[in-house]
Amino acid sequence: GEDVEQSLFLSVREGDSSVINCTYTDSSSTYLYWYKQEPGAGLQLLTYIFSNMDMKQDQRLTVLLNKKDKHLSLRIADTQTGDSAIYFCAESILTGGGNKLTFGTGTQLKVEL
Amino acid sequence: EADIYQTPRYLVIGTGKKITLECSQTMGHDKMYWYQQDPGMELHLIHYSYGVNSTEKGDLSSESTVSRIRTEHFPLTLESARPSHTSQYLCASGALGGHTQYFGPGTRLTVL
Repeated sequence: GEDVEQSLFLSVREGDSSVINCTYTDSSSTYLYWYKQEPGAGLQLLTYIFSNMDMKQDQRLTVLLNKKDKHLSLRIADTQTGDSAIYFCAESILTGGGNKLTFGTGTQLKVEL
Repeated sequence: EADIYQTPRYLVIGTGKKITLECSQTMGHDKMYWYQQDPGMELHLIHYSYGVNSTEKGDLSSESTVSRIRTEHFPLTLESARPSHTSQYLCASGALGGHTQYFGPGTRLTVL
């Protein structure tokens, strides 16, 4: 079955690194994603990783994937106040004709001065 | 990045009214999706479409209906709104051969 879990809340100081964790249960996931949602807004795609990769880096963002443990993490280097938002991980499962995303519960990141 | 639009952004309406939430995209994406998100909660897929005249129900049962008469347009309709329909509704789209979904800004619906 499809089940994606995240911790609900993370607080860091500005300039520190943030690590947001996610676990999923469906081993047939093809891609895994990180989305950012600011208050009152839609979801912004931050980055994604193909399921046969271990790591992907994109500027301040580093995604680590442990497929054996079904664990995904997002590291934000030099966290800024503008990074305060809810972060959702999602897994993509192929279905007839397309793919469906299953989202985690979201992690509220609060960046303090 | 896809250009995807939703109107209205906010809607407050009384019980029993018929409403239509609009979603349109200008990227020519064949795949379109509607998600429902309660405050502070995860997203649940309620409808999706892989092309014109194709619509499917998602994972979460919903009393809403959708139509896909044009590629760029995927409206969601509630025939008789109830307070239990109060939520944020997010529309997304993606290319047929692609895997990523791009989201609109959402419509926050409040039914009194």
